[in-house]
Order: sequence, then structure tokens, then C-alpha cells
Amino acid sequence: DAGVTQSPTHLIKTRGQHVTLRCSPISGHKSVSWYQQVLGQGPQFIFQYYEKEERGRGNFPDRFSARQFPNYSSELNVNALLLGDSALYLCASSWGGTSGAEQFFGPGTRLTVL
Amino acid sequence: KNEVEQSPQNLTAQEGEFITINCSYSVGISALHWLQQHPGGGIVSLFMLSSGKKKHGRLIATINIQEKHSSLHITASHPRDSAVYICAVYLRSGGATNKLIFGTGTLLAVQP
Repeated sequence: DAGVTQSPTHLIKTRGQHVTLRCSPISGHKSVSWYQQVLGQGPQFIFQYYEKEERGRGNFPDRFSARQFPNYSSELNVNALLLGDSALYLCASSWGGTSGAEQFFGPGTRLTVL
Repeated sequence: KNEVEQSPQNLTAQEGEFITINCSYSVGISALHWLQQHPGGGIVSLFMLSSGKKKHGRLIATINIQEKHSSLHITASHPRDSAVYICAVYLRSGGATNKLIFGTGTLLAVQP
């Protein structure tokens, strides 16, 4: 079975641009979570979606948005990119959406903002 | 103060040594993850546990819920074990969300 997949693998953008990152969960998983990992730090929670509804939102500005599609795949959108948005963006999926539902991670998308 | 603290931040060991990485947390949790991340790479789950002890190959994870502490042990360490090891917790009060709170990670280098 395929694990969590993310696209693209790497991305280079310039300040002010917009970016869309994509995630496909493990088959049967209904929840997708997004995390941002800045170099040298642990990942930080951005969003969780379960059954196409937002279940949680981290402390990120409104420039960050996400959605989940009927097939449970998800997109993370970031507008008006800043240099500080350069990071590894990780997607994780789980079958359930409540606390303790085990998450499985994708390989990440490396975003560089110049 | 971070809700999840790991120690040490950096660890260098010789091949064959027994390694211990510690994780302390200050919040009520429903479960704890030990994760592995190679440089520039994605995250792989090693263990998820909510009580007691788990073992997989040369890796052992323990948790003490009362003391809010977990340890990851690597026996007979090997250079291929070199990676960042991350502790992450699911908040018990998280309820309708299963977001993870991460520690900052322990960078392990095992020298031949």
C-alpha cells in the first residue's frame, strides 16, 4: 500500500508569490494534518482536517489556508510568501481525527522563498 | 518553556554503544510518538505508546505517565542509526483534534 504522498518535492518561490502544496493520505485515512518545520526546529502544527472539515488550526497567519477534498486529499495554500516561510512542510494522515489517532507522515515538501 | 523537552540535544556515540534519549513533557497526554528523521528527509514513526514499554529490533521505548517522561534506547548502535530523533505528544485535552506537539529533536551521530 502506498504511504502518504506529497507534491512537489521541492519548490522555489520569490517573496510575494503564492504556493499550493498537495498531500494524498494513506488509503482509508480520513484525517490530514499539516506541519511546518523550520531548519533546526521541531515541526509546528498548522492545520488538521477531518472528513473535509477543519478540526484544528495552529498559530499561523491568515496567509495560510487549507482544504480537504472528497477523496480526503488536501491542499495547503500560502499567500504573499515571506522569507520566513522557507521550511519543510509535512503532511500526516490518520484514520481517525481525535487525540491519539496515530499519524503517518509524508516525505515533505521543501519550500525555499528567495 | 516548551511543552515537550528532549535531552540531549546532540549526541555522539561510538558504534556498538548503548544510547538513551530522554523526553519530558509538561502536559497531559493521550499518547507519545518517537519519530526518526534523516537529514533533509521526511519523518518515520518508530513507536507510539501510551504506557509501559515497546521493543522493535534494537530499539526500545518506555514511558512513565506519572512522571511525564519517556526514553528511547538504542542497543548496539550502528552508523546507520545516525539521524534526528524526535519526541511528540498527543494532548489528552486535544479532544477533537489529534495535533502533535513536538520536541526539538536529538541529533545522533554514531561513529564507526
